[in-house]
Formats: sequence, C-alpha cells, structure tokens
Amino acid sequence: QVQLQQWGAGLLKPSETLSLTCAVSGDSLSNYYWTWIRQPPGKGLEWIGEINQSGSTNYNPSLRSRVTISVDTSKKQFSLKLTSVTAADTAVYYCARATRITMRVWGQGTLVTVSS
Amino acid sequence: QSALTQPPSVSGSPGQSVTISCTGTSSDIGNYNRVSWYQQPPGTAPKLMIYEVSNRPSGVPDRFSGSKSGNTASLAISGLQAEDEADYYCSSYTSNITWVFGGGTKLTVL
Repeated sequence: QVQLQQWGAGLLKPSETLSLTCAVSGDSLSNYYWTWIRQPPGKGLEWIGEINQSGSTNYNPSLRSRVTISVDTSKKQFSLKLTSVTAADTAVYYCARATRITMRVWGQGTLVTVSS
Repeated sequence: QSALTQPPSVSGSPGQSVTISCTGTSSDIGNYNRVSWYQQPPGTAPKLMIYEVSNRPSGVPDRFSGSKSGNTASLAISGLQAEDEADYYCSSYTSNITWVFGGGTKLTVL
C-alpha cells in the first residue's frame, strides 16, 4: 500500500525559502503525477503543482514564479521549494499522488509558519 | 485560476439527505469529467470520496454519490450520520493542465 511521508522546516522568516520533501513507499514513481497542495489555516485547498517521473512539471500560475518541484527517482522522493515566502504562505502543505483522474493518496501534511 | 464555488455551509439532521454544489466554468467542470470530492474532518488530511464525477473508491459508503450538469457538480449524502460531519471540497482538472479546488463546504449534522 502506497504511503507518503513528508518533512521540512516548519518555521520560516519572511523572504526565506520553503523546502519540503515527500518520500514514496509501497509504489513506483511511474505513471503518476507527484503533487503539492497547501491549505492556509481555516481556509480551502490550493493546488501548487506537480511533477512526473521524467521531471516534467506543471505549476499553479499564481505561484509559478516562486515554485520549483523536483524529483529524485533514486530515492523515490520529490520536493517543493517556494522562494521569498511571506505570511500569506503560512499553511499546511500536503504532498499527494495523482493521476489525470484524481488525487487519491495524500501525505500527512506539514504546517509551515512564516513569521518574523 | 479562480476557485470553484461551493456554499460555505450546509446542515442536516441524522437520517436526512444533503447536497453540496460545486460550480466552475467551461474550462474545468464543464469540459472534463475529472471532478473529485474530498472529505476533511478537522486536523486531518483530505480523503477521496468521489472521483470522475460519480465513482466511489473502495470503502466509501454508497450513501455518497456524485453527479454533474453543465458547469456544476454535486455531492449528495443520504442517511446522514454524525461521522459525516466534516469539510467537503470539490476539485476539477482544467484546460490549463492544472487542478482547481472549491472553497470548501462545512457540513454540520444537527
């Protein structure tokens, strides 16, 4: 059974770079889109972007200038970097396994707080 | 990209039925049958309840059903139970090769 385990720094200062990693177990990276989603406290879900095994990415246009998603196939991990963070980037960040049909498997979520 | 539009809240008594709507555009819901619904109790990760408009993953009760008409998708929950109380989110694939979520609907079981 596929599992996603995510980790990363939980407290950042404004202008720093957010960095999160998600490890995949119980499945291969093939045939899926490895995805990041976030949820500000008390608010709804926002799709950040995705990457496939080949490294092809798609990003939310509103975040594209600051986001990089990468994949390390040897470690079966994928990562999110978000530059120049502000308080508006404070959120629970989820990694997920997606197809072109749906996002079926989600990580446990990581709270990232941006505060001076 | 704009979020899909959901009512902020719905409520119903145990045993009753409720429906949550999700309105998009011809660039997302109206053009694709890739609509999903997620259930999110407080403090937990979202759980897939419906995919491809009306399909239920294994383990999801058949009290949950989905449908779509034009640019609007709907989630219906029959025979409400206390455990159904949660936030519900719709999502759709878009013509920009992205995904978009609804703003979420809080379901209260009275």
